Amino acid sequence: QSVLTQPPSVSAAPGQKVTISCSGSSSNIGNNYVSWYQQLPGTAPKLLIYDNNKRPSGIPDRFSGSKSGTSATLGITGLQTGDEADYYCGTWDNSLSAHVVFGGGTKLTVL
Amino acid sequence: EVQLVESGGGLVKPGGSLRLSCAASGFIFNDAWMNWVRQAPGKGLEWVGRIKRTSDGGTTDYAAPVKGRFTISRDDLKNTLYLQMNSLKTEDTALYYCTTGFTIFDYWGQGILVTVSS
Repeated sequence: QSVLTQPPSVSAAPGQKVTISCSGSSSNIGNNYVSWYQQLPGTAPKLLIYDNNKRPSGIPDRFSGSKSGTSATLGITGLQTGDEADYYCGTWDNSLSAHVVFGGGTKLTVL
Repeated sequence: EVQLVESGGGLVKPGGSLRLSCAASGFIFNDAWMNWVRQAPGKGLEWVGRIKRTSDGGTTDYAAPVKGRFTISRDDLKNTLYLQMNSLKTEDTALYYCTTGFTIFDYWGQGILVTVSS
């Protein structure tokens, strides 16, 4: 069971908007920056969002991130079939036994 | 262009050992904090551990499931990261990725499969 909680799956039609939530606690999301990773089928994860809402060079502005309290959200607008992937949130956890923690992942289906 | 290439994976029996390598290029390796992240078949991502850059002490941190069994090291002259895995368990079966960064994993290798089975 993952420290961060994500919905197992979300779906939307091409061109639409979708949001993916990531819920944690004060020991992780509540006091640390959140990153998001995209994992296309059969490939390695790729950094999509860092420091809650910043995009690395080359990531289109269709992807956005936000954080409020102990939850974070990834938003994707103008959905494309190429956005079908697994999405993971990640952050640091200040508790004794954990360091970097990830959500369980959300499978995005573009119908 | 940043490249991270893992090697050394394979099939090993429970209780056995394996050493993974990650050859890095395209960035200043001795300036980078490096991590190992794994992904069990059909499962999500799990952070394994990290090694700081040598100028920050080169110290290591590990996730609880692997602490005491896995050791991360680096050779800055060879631009290579290592993961020594001992006392392997079936639950260590996964695709192992090396990544750059502290809590933000900027770059990832393509991954190397480790299968622990009798």
